Amino acid sequence: ETGVTQTPRHLVMGMTNKKSLKCEQHLGHNAMYWYKQSAKKPLELMFVYNFKEQTENNSVPSRFSPECPNSSHLFLHLHTLQPEDSALYLCASSPRGGSYNEQFFGPGTRLTVL
Amino acid sequence: AQKITQTQPGMFVQEKEAVTLDCTYDTSDQSYGLFWYKQPSSGEMIFLIYQGSYDEQNATEGRYSLNFQKARKSANLVISASQLGDSAMYFCAMRENPNFGNEKLTFGTGTRLTIIP
Repeated sequence: ETGVTQTPRHLVMGMTNKKSLKCEQHLGHNAMYWYKQSAKKPLELMFVYNFKEQTENNSVPSRFSPECPNSSHLFLHLHTLQPEDSALYLCASSPRGGSYNEQFFGPGTRLTVL
Repeated sequence: AQKITQTQPGMFVQEKEAVTLDCTYDTSDQSYGLFWYKQPSSGEMIFLIYQGSYDEQNATEGRYSLNFQKARKSANLVISASQLGDSAMYFCAMRENPNFGNEKLTFGTGTRLTIIP
């Protein structure tokens, strides 16, 4: 498989559930990103990992917990979410942080919180 | 103030015509990069074209070109000979002063382009 993949593509969860989003990149990149895309709002950066280390947390609530076990995999653990957290969650990767390299995006996970 | 402004929420263009999508940006940095992404209904963001603040020539990639006017802080995307497959959301984005640890790519609100057969 090539590029950036995300699973699941769609997720419906209750406010008391715990779930995880998975992202995998097959591009040999060293930087990975989580973005949130809500309706009628610009794409919002959530977290950045460079060489498995978190280098940016854009004031994200603690109910979102990222994990980056290696440069190819990125997870977003979700717990006690709110309905306003319903959005498209996009993962991206780039060769490394601190550069002008374009970011390559996955297809996203459409999350609905009931 | 918004960093990236896209003033056209939606556009309708006849197939085979050229289309210009507007983008203005706000930054005090001298070094920055500008990107355009396409997002079809499938959700994936597809990189189209990049322009560096120090690049003297406008970037071009196939049917895509970027009309970069630095003094006006504008970076409009031009699509020549539009095709039905160009129907999508288009996002302008900016990367300021990319020091290690400053990773933020700031996006505009997007323009929905619809190509009419």
